[in-house]
Amino acid sequence: DAGVTQSPTHLIKTRGQHVTLRCSPISGHKSVSWYQQVLGQGPQFIFQYYEKEERGRGNFPDRFSARQFPNYSSELNVNALLLGDSALYLCASSLGGAAKNIQYFGAGTRLSVL
Amino acid sequence: QKEVEQNSGPLSVPEGAIASLNCTYSDRVSQSFFWYRQYSGKSPELIMSIYSNGDKEDGRFTAQLNKASQYVSLLIRDSQPSDSATYLCASHRSGDKVIFGPGTSLSVIP
Repeated sequence: DAGVTQSPTHLIKTRGQHVTLRCSPISGHKSVSWYQQVLGQGPQFIFQYYEKEERGRGNFPDRFSARQFPNYSSELNVNALLLGDSALYLCASSLGGAAKNIQYFGAGTRLSVL
Repeated sequence: QKEVEQNSGPLSVPEGAIASLNCTYSDRVSQSFFWYRQYSGKSPELIMSIYSNGDKEDGRFTAQLNKASQYVSLLIRDSQPSDSATYLCASHRSGDKVIFGPGTSLSVIP
């Protein structure tokens, strides 16, 4: 079975641009969460979606938005990129609902903002 | 106060020794706890999950949970150089997000 897949793997953008990151969860998983990981720190929660509805939002500016599609895949959008947005963006999927929320991570998208 | 705290390390142990990684959390309502391993430049991979007080063993790994002390630990027996990585502790309460600690860097010296 395929694990969590993320695309693209690497991305280079300039300040002020917009970026879209994509994630496909493990088959059967209905929940997707997005994290930002800066070098030397743990993953910071950005969004969680379950059954296409937003279930949680971390302390990130409105430049960050996300959505989940009927097939449970998800997109993370970041507008007006700043240098500080350079990070590894991780997507994690889980069964969701009443499950104990074991999250399985994709390989991540490394975003560099120049 | 940070929600999940870990010693950043680096923690160095000789090959074959026991590595002990510790984590404390501030939210008493947290129900589920996880240990992830992350190699440099890679994404986190789940090692252990624990939900009840006490010990949980899986091969060379043992997770320990003490909810009264709000403390979670991970023991790695017979440490191998391939165990050298950053270990992330995470907590979760039902209906809420998973919170990760900053990670502890472990180095196993051959």
